[in-house]
Amino acid sequence: EAQVTQNPRYLITVTGKKLTVTCSQNMNHEYMSWYRQDPGLGLRQIYYSMNVEVTDKGDVPEGYKVSRKEKRNFPLILESPSPNQTSLYFCASSDGTSGGDTQYFGPGTRLTVL
Amino acid sequence: QKEVEQNSGPLSVPEGAIASLNCTYSDRGSQSFFWYRQYSGKSPELIMFIYSNGDKEDGRFTAQLNKASQYVSLLIRDSQPSDSATYLCALDLSYSGGGADGLTFGKGTHLIIQP
Repeated sequence: EAQVTQNPRYLITVTGKKLTVTCSQNMNHEYMSWYRQDPGLGLRQIYYSMNVEVTDKGDVPEGYKVSRKEKRNFPLILESPSPNQTSLYFCASSDGTSGGDTQYFGPGTRLTVL
Repeated sequence: QKEVEQNSGPLSVPEGAIASLNCTYSDRGSQSFFWYRQYSGKSPELIMFIYSNGDKEDGRFTAQLNKASQYVSLLIRDSQPSDSATYLCALDLSYSGGGADGLTFGKGTHLIIQP
């Protein structure tokens, strides 16, 4: 089954404790991205990657890191989480060569930073 | 800043009627437009995309694009209670200036279909 998976689905952590949210897709997509979704603010892009070893900032990259060492994986790293990073996070992949093509979303990770 | 504007709602429509969702955008260079549906606590799922001016139909859904007026709309015919969700309009950044890539989303319209 073609899908985008994220882990963990739910995470409660404390300020400053490094964490990684994994994202994996089995569709051989080149383009992957991370979004956060907050009430009243909608979906905002954090980082995207157009291929292995190619990443770039989206609209709200502060406080996040990403890496793309393999085509299928695109982890999101929070080196020192803060409460304002409490959000619902979505990973997405696209079947085109850019993010302008249809994006398929993972199930989401609900993160709470205390 | 590439902006996408949607009325947040809620938009309440009786079952069986036509639901009309609207979206306006600021970037004239945008080429591709998408409608996603999102149930509460779930991930967005694609309903339709549209690239050309005019109408595009898929089952009960019709997307309409008017690039001159910079709006895109989604019509849902014979609305069902299962259509109750938040509908997100998105446009493609990759053809716009500034080197950005990906989709920029509106904040969504909450649609309620009343049985």
